[in-house]
Amino acid sequence: QAVVTQEPSLTVSPGGTVTLTCASSTGAVTSGHFPYWFQQKPGQVPRTLISDTTNKHSWTPARFSGSLLGGKAALILSNAQPEDEADYYCLLSYNSIRVFGTGTKVTVL
Amino acid sequence: QGRLVQSGAEVKKPGASVKLSCKASGYSFTNHQIHWMRQAPGQGLEWMGIISPGDGATIYAQKFQGRVTMTSDTSTSTVYVEVSSLRSEDTGTYYCARRLPPGIDPWGQGTLVTVSS
Repeated sequence: QAVVTQEPSLTVSPGGTVTLTCASSTGAVTSGHFPYWFQQKPGQVPRTLISDTTNKHSWTPARFSGSLLGGKAALILSNAQPEDEADYYCLLSYNSIRVFGTGTKVTVL
Repeated sequence: QGRLVQSGAEVKKPGASVKLSCKASGYSFTNHQIHWMRQAPGQGLEWMGIISPGDGATIYAQKFQGRVTMTSDTSTSTVYVEVSSLRSEDTGTYYCARRLPPGIDPWGQGTLVTVSS
């Protein structure tokens, strides 16, 4: 089974920009992996931020965006807010088998 | 919109089995697959598998094949996941979530399973 790797932790200043990445042990991440991004705050259920690489949901703040970057999936957080402090997980699809990334803890400080 | 409500917390002994439920409402139950995920305390999310409620077709993560069974009951709009031969590493919160292309939404509230002797 593939291993999906994310940065363990990142820190961003309020109003700053941070990029989270999602790498696959099998090679470059492509749109065919249908990358998802989820946000999970302490004690809460995860919620989907980004689907299929770039698609936002109605509840996804405009400061979040998804892309492919250098062979990885990426979640870009611009103009970071204190409420964005959370754990973030990517999810990749491998021919119907899904694999979560290791997760990134984002601190806004 | 849709809503998923999961069954209550469970405490089991090692070697036992547990069967969790996830009841859907507010949408056409058979039209959308349901994912099952879990999260050990303080750890990351882990994808377990997916079920198509209409025909019961399943796909499991390799790690769970042979020890996890997902089923559906269209009469009650409920999907189930059963985990057998429980061990301490199975302790965690189990989530169901609807596959709604291109997204995954909604999620159930989660069910805490504790495996302890």
